[in-house]
Amino acid sequence: DIQMTQSPSSLSASVGDRVTITCRASQSITSYLNWYQQRPGKAPKLLIYAASSLQSGVPSRFSGSGSGTDFTLTISSLQPEDFATYYCQQSDTTPFTFGPGTKVDIK
Amino acid sequence: QVQLVESGGGAVQPGGSLRLSCAASGFTFSNYGMHWVRQAPGKGLEWVAFIRYDESNKYYEDSVKGRFTISRDISKNTLYLQMNSLRAEDTAVYYCVKDGDSYFDFWGQGTQVTVSS
Repeated sequence: DIQMTQSPSSLSASVGDRVTITCRASQSITSYLNWYQQRPGKAPKLLIYAASSLQSGVPSRFSGSGSGTDFTLTISSLQPEDFATYYCQQSDTTPFTFGPGTKVDIK
Repeated sequence: QVQLVESGGGAVQPGGSLRLSCAASGFTFSNYGMHWVRQAPGKGLEWVAFIRYDESNKYYEDSVKGRFTISRDISKNTLYLQMNSLRAEDTAVYYCVKDGDSYFDFWGQGTQVTVSS
């Protein structure tokens, strides 16, 4: 199985901060990497697919990059509604594994 | 708009069975693969199963193989997950998810499954 890791596991930031979350796959997944946001008590929401494509309706402050094994999610200017947990996920091979999550909370 | 509404969750004893349903609307159900994803209390996301749009293939996470069965009824626009031989570690919120071609683009609100004696 492909293992996904994320760093950091949590971070504290202020509104307006630039935030970067990294995700690493245990083997190459080319660009089969997706990012999801989950607010407390809610279902996850797709933000980025295929490593760098912005899902329709998602604000442009979210961006993704990377290929192979190393990927990044960047929030250019953190907004109050962005405080949530973020998961990366590989869709290259079953089982479609998720990273452990990065919790972003208010400093 | 796409809507996915899960039902069928509840409390069951270890070794018991449940069948989850997911009513889909707002898209052509027969054209898309579908997944089940679960989340144990306070834990991360775990993919459980996938069925292709035409049911030609079904895939399962190792811990549920032989116990869970994913299926769909095109005439009812409904996805199912039959769960047998349930264990305490199957306790989770189960999400029905639409496949968007190698990404999970729409999620239901989830249904709680609790396995406990």
